[in-house]
Amino acid sequence: QSALTQPASVSGSPGQSITISCTGTNSDVGSYNLVSWYQQHPGKAPKVMIYEGTKRPSGVSNRFSGSKSGNTASLTISGLQAEDEADYYCSSYSDGSTLVFGGGTKLTVL
Amino acid sequence: QVQLVQSGAEVKKPGASVKVSCKASGYTFTGYYMHWVRQAPGQGLEWMGWINPNSDDTNYAQKFQGRVTMTRDTSISTAYMELSSLRSDDTAVYYCAREAGSGSVVYWGQGALVTVSS
Repeated sequence: QSALTQPASVSGSPGQSITISCTGTNSDVGSYNLVSWYQQHPGKAPKVMIYEGTKRPSGVSNRFSGSKSGNTASLTISGLQAEDEADYYCSSYSDGSTLVFGGGTKLTVL
Repeated sequence: QVQLVQSGAEVKKPGASVKVSCKASGYTFTGYYMHWVRQAPGQGLEWMGWINPNSDDTNYAQKFQGRVTMTRDTSISTAYMELSSLRSDDTAVYYCAREAGSGSVVYWGQGALVTVSS
């Protein structure tokens, strides 16, 4: 399986909104509403922010939202805060009952 | 609450095998698939495969076919991942991660660092 494509880095100022894209194929993102987004701070385990495309686990701020169009999923973070600075990864269920991850995006809060 | 507690760090020599454990609590162990994901130093997340604790069915990423074995012991709610013929580029943090029941991984263990060095 090929990894999903994410931008290497994005940045924004506190209070702004940013969007991270995650591009796959008809074998993964385009065929299943099973994209997840993870936040990872240095030295920590990933934390799920969005799963099944748009669902937010309890305890995750409603500033985080997920969407999808065709083969591209997106994570939007509104009202950026300093603690949002982290690495973000997308994943998708894929043909053959497999899972595929994106390469990761480093978010910098200016 | 769902908890996944993994075994500790390991140092192995090239060619050896390593077995990482993942003890689950807070839910019915046999009700959800368990995935294994690794992360090499400074790199991204890489999916290795999953095990269905109920049926013992497994599905491994093509890259690890023939080198990885995922097992479970339902009596102690623990999943295992064994990787053989270790190489230096297998140095990574290995995570177990539980599905939400839909193909989406939601709960993660704390990770286990495996260092392969002669």
